[in-house]
Parts: sequence; structure tokens; C-alpha cells
Amino acid sequence: EAGVVQSPRYKIIEKKQPVAFWCNPISGHNTLYWYRQNLGQGPELLIRYENEEAVDDSQLPKDRFSAERLKGVDSTLKIQPAELGDSAVYLCASSLTNTNTGELFFGEGSRLTVL
Amino acid sequence: AQSVTQLGSHVSVSEGALVLLRCNYSSSVPPYLFWYVQYPNQGLQLLLKYTSAATLVKGINGFEAEFKKSETSFHLTKPSAHMSDAAEYFCAVASGSARQLTFGSGTQLTVLP
Repeated sequence: EAGVVQSPRYKIIEKKQPVAFWCNPISGHNTLYWYRQNLGQGPELLIRYENEEAVDDSQLPKDRFSAERLKGVDSTLKIQPAELGDSAVYLCASSLTNTNTGELFFGEGSRLTVL
Repeated sequence: AQSVTQLGSHVSVSEGALVLLRCNYSSSVPPYLFWYVQYPNQGLQLLLKYTSAATLVKGINGFEAEFKKSETSFHLTKPSAHMSDAAEYFCAVASGSARQLTFGSGTQLTVLP
């Protein structure tokens, strides 16, 4: 079974440029998460989707970050414009809906460097 | 509110020695607790989880953790370290709906030959 797929793996951009990340979750997983992991820290939740609906986006910086999950499968996370402080690894994860075990399956992440 | 504190951002052990990675949690309701492992340039992988069943939880690769409510701890152990155990380990807590994990800041484990 394929795992969570993310692209691109690495992205280097100059500040003020836009960037987008894509995530394909595990088939059948209705819950999708985007996390940001800064160097030397644990992942922090940006947004959680249940199917197409963003049910928790309280930590998403909405002035420059946006996300969508059309048709309740793939998702994209966009930053526009990027700032130096956005350099981090952006992790996508998925899980089965209605699970109370909290087990998430993570992709390999997209490492963003903003110059 | 929930939070996790991992004591020691870096831990070094010799190959064959005991591994002990410390995690303390804070939760207003009975928590679910997890340990995830992250190898270089890879995503996080679930190592083991506690979901209110047995307090001693066994995971993959010979790791185990014990839930101690009185100490609000969930320390990760392995009797004998292997070189392949070198990675970053994250403790996480989930409570309430158990769908939102809060991660600790991680512990980098180095295994010395």
C-alpha cells in the first residue's frame, strides 16, 4: 500500500516569492493534516481536514498561507509571499476518520528554504 | 490544554547499552500517548502508542514505554541499543477527540560504536 506522498521534496526560493506543496494521502484516509516542523523542534499543526472541510485551521497564518483539499483527496498548501521565517519542513499526514487512536501516517515532507 | 516535555534534546549511548528517553505530559483528561521516530530526511513513523489499555506498551524494533499516571510520564526504553536506532524521537499527546497530536521538541539519539 502506498504511503503519504508529498512533492516537492525540496524547494529553494527567494523571499516574497510564492510556493506550493502537494500531498496525496493514503487511500481511504479521510482526515488530512499539514504540519510545519522547524529545525530542532517537533511538528506543529497548521490545518486539519475532514474530507473537504477544514475543521481546525486556528494555527494557519491566514495572511500568507492558504490550503485546499478539493474532492476530499489531494491537498495543496500555498505560501504567498514567502518570508525568511517560513523556512521549515512541511509535513503532510493522514489518518482514518473516526479513529480515536490518534495514529497518523506521515509523508517524507517538503523542505523549504527561503533566501 | 495538553503539552509534552522531552527532557534532553540529545542523548548518546554506546551500542548495546540501555536506551532511556524521557517524556512528561500534561493533560486535563486521560491522554493518549505516542512515540514517533524520524530517521534523517524521512517522515515520522509510529513507534508505539498508549490508549488506556495496558500501561506497559511494546512497540516496534524492541522499544517499549510505560505509562505512569502518578508521574505523568511516558518514558521510552530499549534494553540494548543498535546502531540503526540512531534517529530523532518525538513524544506526543492527544486528548479529547484524540485527533490532534501535540508533539514534544524531540530527542536526538546517537549510538556510539
